[in-house]
Amino acid sequence: SQTIHQWPATLVQPVGSPLSLECTVEGTSNPNLYWYRQAAGRGLQLLFYSVGIGQISSEVPQNLSASRPQDRQFILSSKKLLLSDSGFYLCAWSASAYGYTFGSGTRLTVV
Amino acid sequence: AQSVTQLGSHVSVSEGALVLLRCNYSSSVPPYLFWYVQYPNQGLQLLLKYTSAATLVKGINGFEAEFKKSETSFHLTKPSAHMSDAAEYFCAVSMPGGYNKLIFGAGTRLAVHP
Repeated sequence: SQTIHQWPATLVQPVGSPLSLECTVEGTSNPNLYWYRQAAGRGLQLLFYSVGIGQISSEVPQNLSASRPQDRQFILSSKKLLLSDSGFYLCAWSASAYGYTFGSGTRLTVV
Repeated sequence: AQSVTQLGSHVSVSEGALVLLRCNYSSSVPPYLFWYVQYPNQGLQLLLKYTSAATLVKGINGFEAEFKKSETSFHLTKPSAHMSDAAEYFCAVSMPGGYNKLIFGAGTRLAVHP
């Protein structure tokens, strides 16, 4: 069966520090992968999506970047975190437009 | 491009009352529609989805939603609210062939009081 792993679950980082959040998928190949962010009191915003290794599309300009070094690995990064980067980050995968699986999320607090 | 509007960021109902959470979508092609629930400090759980089969979709926990093309709506209902239904609810839309991007509404926080 397909599973998605996302870590860490919580993270507290100082302003200006780097960030690396990792997401891996098991039990499927060539999935579409997505990073979403939920800021406090706001909805879920699509940040990045990827349809294949090395193929990254950004939905909004921001301080973050994404990479897909392997078929089932999706990484969200930042060189220098801002306070506004705080939020709940969710990774997801899909093989079609009618089925999505979400990770358990990472709650990032930038202090 | 597709988009989703959820009317009412906060909805409050009494236990046992009808729950109605509103969702309208914009899409250039027939979309797929979803409702997700998020309990405090947890991830997303799929409640139900519409994928061009029956227009009335039944989901988990007694929720259902009806796809109305003429109104571009996909409202979520439950006949009788339970205290455990208190959570945030997200409506989302995707389009076939659009890299399967799932676009969410801003969410509606449901409060259930005794």
